[in-house]
Amino acid sequence: DQQVKQNSPSLSVQEGRISILNCDYTNSMFDYFLWYKKYPAEGPTFLISISSIKDKNEDGRFTVFLNKSAKHLSLHIVPSQPGDSAVYFCAARPETSGSRLTFGEGTQLTVNP
Amino acid sequence: NAGVTQTPKFQVLKTGQSMTLQCAQDMNHNSMYWYRQDPGMGLRLIYYSASEGTTDKGEVPNGYNVSRLNKREFSLRLESAAPSQTSVYFCASSLRYEQYFGPGTRLTVT
Repeated sequence: DQQVKQNSPSLSVQEGRISILNCDYTNSMFDYFLWYKKYPAEGPTFLISISSIKDKNEDGRFTVFLNKSAKHLSLHIVPSQPGDSAVYFCAARPETSGSRLTFGEGTQLTVNP
Repeated sequence: NAGVTQTPKFQVLKTGQSMTLQCAQDMNHNSMYWYRQDPGMGLRLIYYSASEGTTDKGEVPNGYNVSRLNKREFSLRLESAAPSQTSVYFCASSLRYEQYFGPGTRLTVT
């Protein structure tokens, strides 16, 4: 079963506008969530994370929101830039699993100039 | 610091051939991982090593073996390659929860 789901395979936004990427999860034992960004022919790179004891974490243009009751995670990018065009993966850590992560399928973000 | 390095970058195998994918990290991380990425399926964990001397199966271990040679190196072996193992393989390492990935190996099995 897919415990972490990104239901939108792709998203297209205009430069300067907000990008919102969504992620849903089913396992209530997840206690730490991460977003990764991946350019073609490169490995994923860590972007931002949030612990389950928080509902928001911000780093520059990137903000992650966590709604535990809805089991929903979102990444906001404001303002979006063409260099943000990449595949974004959300990931989650179950509290009993050490450092293992479960990844979503990814969302391809395209930011148009 | 090179971070996480992987060799080779590309490989083409015939069905039944064997090969080993190499991974090394210079960040003194305890944990290392092997993933495969397939279209529409995200990153799926093949094997991981929580610390030197230990290895455990992940979500999709069938057809693979691993060796944690020392703290720096973690290799993935395909004993008898199958077309279903055509994929992009990523190695990663972590000290805590944030994992750092290598550039990947694109493997094609014909």
